[in-house]
Amino acid sequence: DGGITQSPKYLFRKEGQNVTLSCEQNLNHDAMYWYRQDPGQGLRLIYYSQIVNDFQKGDIAEGYSVSREKKESFPLTVTSAQKNPTAFYLCASTASSSYNEQFFGPGTRLTVL
Amino acid sequence: GENVEQHPSTLSVQEGDSAVIKCTYSDSASNYFPWYKQELGKRPQLIIDIRSNVGEKKDQRIAVTLNKTAKHFSLHITETQPEDSAVYFCAALMDSNYQLIWGAGTKLIIKP
Repeated sequence: DGGITQSPKYLFRKEGQNVTLSCEQNLNHDAMYWYRQDPGQGLRLIYYSQIVNDFQKGDIAEGYSVSREKKESFPLTVTSAQKNPTAFYLCASTASSSYNEQFFGPGTRLTVL
Repeated sequence: GENVEQHPSTLSVQEGDSAVIKCTYSDSASNYFPWYKQELGKRPQLIIDIRSNVGEKKDQRIAVTLNKTAKHFSLHITETQPEDSAVYFCAALMDSNYQLIWGAGTKLIIKP
């Protein structure tokens, strides 16, 4: 089954904990993205990566970190510095940065207890 | 910074009627404008897109129009059906860094 996958589907975090959200794609896409979506809101860009070993901050990068060691993987760590992390997190990928459809993963719903 | 404004935030139409959602963008260099549909709790999925070298594109009951001079584009859904109920997002691709700038979304409600 080709596409983009995220795990886990649901994640619960205690305050002060770091958690890592997984994003994997087997589409051979160069660019990958992390978005945050709050209830009833649009998509806000956290981080994006256009090539392996390189990534850039989006609009709301504070309290988050990423790595891009492999083309197919772009994990997101939500650190304890992120004060309000409860949200729906979406990972996306695209063949190249320009003019192409972004394919989204199924999302991870993170809840802070 | 660059932004995309989307209106209305909620749209309720009778089944069978047409629905129109409008977006305005600020980056005059934007050349790619996709529309995504997101059902409750699901991932956004592309339903139609348009590039700046055309003014209109149609796919069955869905059409998108683009006015580059006025920097706005619209989604048109004809003969609406219950399965069209969802949140619709417009976006514009920034030419400077190839990021998509997203609208805030429109919740479309189809009344039976």
